[in-house]
Amino acid sequence: EDKVVQSPLSLVVHEGDTVTLNCSYEVTNFRSLLWYKQEKKAPTFLFMLTSSGIEKKSGRLSSILDKKELFSILNITATQTGDSAVYLCGAKRGGATNKLIFGTGTLLAVQP
Amino acid sequence: DTGVSQDPRHKITKRGQNVTFRCDPISEHNRLYWYRQTLGQGPEFLTYFQNEAQLEKSRLLSDRFSAERPKGSFSTLEIQRTEQGDSAMYLCASSRDGGGSDEAFFGQGTRLTVV
Repeated sequence: EDKVVQSPLSLVVHEGDTVTLNCSYEVTNFRSLLWYKQEKKAPTFLFMLTSSGIEKKSGRLSSILDKKELFSILNITATQTGDSAVYLCGAKRGGATNKLIFGTGTLLAVQP
Repeated sequence: DTGVSQDPRHKITKRGQNVTFRCDPISEHNRLYWYRQTLGQGPEFLTYFQNEAQLEKSRLLSDRFSAERPKGSFSTLEIQRTEQGDSAMYLCASSRDGGGSDEAFFGQGTRLTVV
């Protein structure tokens, strides 16, 4: 059965810290891995990763995929209180479905 | 059109009533997904449309649930004879076919409370 596991489940840090969020996956016909940030409403898209070893970067956030070991990490440097959110990892299946299978998310709390 | 739009944003209903939610995807997106999310969990896949064709339904989607996308644009999700266990956030997402850039964008969701 397809599954996505995220760790840690929750994390509390202070402003300025660097955090690493983990996502491992076992998905049939894997196509891509997506990261989303969810504050109280809808998930907002951060990154889509399809190739191993190529880092994607946006400001203080970066992410990389390892298709051999079936995991991805999301790094946030110099954290700010506005980074507080649930970070969701989703693995997309290829083929006719293209559905995303999500993990339970990592709840990040950044304290001032 | 700046994003995926869902209506209503909140719905409170009595157990046993029927409810219908609407999703308007990003206009050039031909793929549309419905997900359900409960507190502390990630979104769970419910169903997927490519244009007007419903290509997959999750086992989570009991026979009380039905979804349509009649003209390949907006979609509706209906829940008949609601139960308290149906209380959740219902999320709609859309994406574009092909081009290698098929990330899904989510709407704000409809929060359903069954009392």
